[in-house]
Amino acid sequence: TQLLEQSPQFLSIQEGENLTVYCNSSSVFSSLQWYRQEPGEGPVLLVTVVTGGEVKKLKRLTFQFGDARKDSSLHITAAQPGDTGLYLCAGYSSASKIIFGSGTRLSIRP
Amino acid sequence: EPEVTQTPSHQVTQMGQEVILRCVPISNHLYFYWYRQILGQKVEFLVSFYNNEISEKSEIFDDQFSVERPDGSNFTLKIRSTKLEDSAMYFCASSEGVGRTTDTQYFGPGTRLTVL
Repeated sequence: TQLLEQSPQFLSIQEGENLTVYCNSSSVFSSLQWYRQEPGEGPVLLVTVVTGGEVKKLKRLTFQFGDARKDSSLHITAAQPGDTGLYLCAGYSSASKIIFGSGTRLSIRP
Repeated sequence: EPEVTQTPSHQVTQMGQEVILRCVPISNHLYFYWYRQILGQKVEFLVSFYNNEISEKSEIFDDQFSVERPDGSNFTLKIRSTKLEDSAMYFCASSEGVGRTTDTQYFGPGTRLTVL
């Protein structure tokens, strides 16, 4: 059974600080996705990483896919209160089925 | 920007009753999905649907669940006899295709189902 483990589960930091959250698996994934989910809403895709070692940037967010395609990280530079939310990593376990990690709940204090 | 819509946003029902959750996928998408998220737990895959057939289903998707595309725009999830443990957020998603990294699944806002 493929599993995605995310760490930390909760993170509360001061505005302006940097942070990294992690997504790990013992399985190889063809790609991994990062979603953000607001309370009472569905997950919204932030990025898909495909190639081992790939780095993608989305403004202050940097996503990296591990060389072995078993892990990924999300780094946020100079966090802002608007970054507060639940960050989910996910991967396809088949052509149509996405499995999700349990998420990292991020809180940025002003 | 096109989006997946779901109705109702919140459904309250008595245990043993049937419920139908409705979704309108993005119009040019061909693949449709249901996921659920029990409060405080992971988002879990239920079923995928293509060409009026179930493509894949999880062990959660037992005989109490069914899906249907009754017309050209709606995609429904029916739970025949609801149980307390069916209480969850149910998310519909759709994608243009499958198997390609560009085949993003777009999620709707969800229906919160509460079974009393």
